Amino acid sequence: DAKTTQPPSMDCAEGRAANLPCNHSTISGNEYVYWYRQIHSQGPQYIIHGLKNNETNEMASLIITEDRKSSTLILPHATLRDTAVYYCISMDSNYQLIWGAGTKLIIKP
Amino acid sequence: DSGVTQTPKHLITATGQRVTLRCSPRSGDLSVYWYQQSLDQGLQFLIQYYNGEERAKGNILERFSAQQFPDLHSELNLSSLELGDSALYFCASSVGLAGGRGEQYFGPGTRLTVT
Repeated sequence: DAKTTQPPSMDCAEGRAANLPCNHSTISGNEYVYWYRQIHSQGPQYIIHGLKNNETNEMASLIITEDRKSSTLILPHATLRDTAVYYCISMDSNYQLIWGAGTKLIIKP
Repeated sequence: DSGVTQTPKHLITATGQRVTLRCSPRSGDLSVYWYQQSLDQGLQFLIQYYNGEERAKGNILERFSAQQFPDLHSELNLSSLELGDSALYFCASSVGLAGGRGEQYFGPGTRLTVT
């Protein structure tokens, strides 16, 4: 059972920041939230993960609310190549990733 | 390039046949995962191996089996193939078990078409 919910699709203008929301109000206090993306039928690509603190790497930033009920993935300067399905993911009791439908992000020129 | 390799890239076969998909994990990764992705569907976890041993099973059919060899490469065997088995099959690898499980690196996939 998915523990995260995401909007099915979003648009963003090229060069702007893309902010992808995720609700995860039922995850427990020690569960990480992972973000992946999948560019049309390619293998999913790991982006970032976090627990409580905000995280940043060369690809994106992850902002987690203090109550840990939601988070936002930020792509600071979206390019056309960022068009993909973005997955916000938690783990099940068997430590396996739970893949939902994700958010289809379309970057428009 | 994730460092995970999968062969073949494409496979076309007939119903009732058996195929083997191969995966080589990133250098140093001990865990290998297999996933199935049907057309326009999410990823379904099939099975995980860690250092040669089965660690977790997901929605894997009895017609499917897998193994991980001493050199850490893995094979997914699909038998008595049905039309519904047509899908993308992805292999992923990660460093270890606990905290490293969520950070997985995926191969390019094998597209299986059953006719």
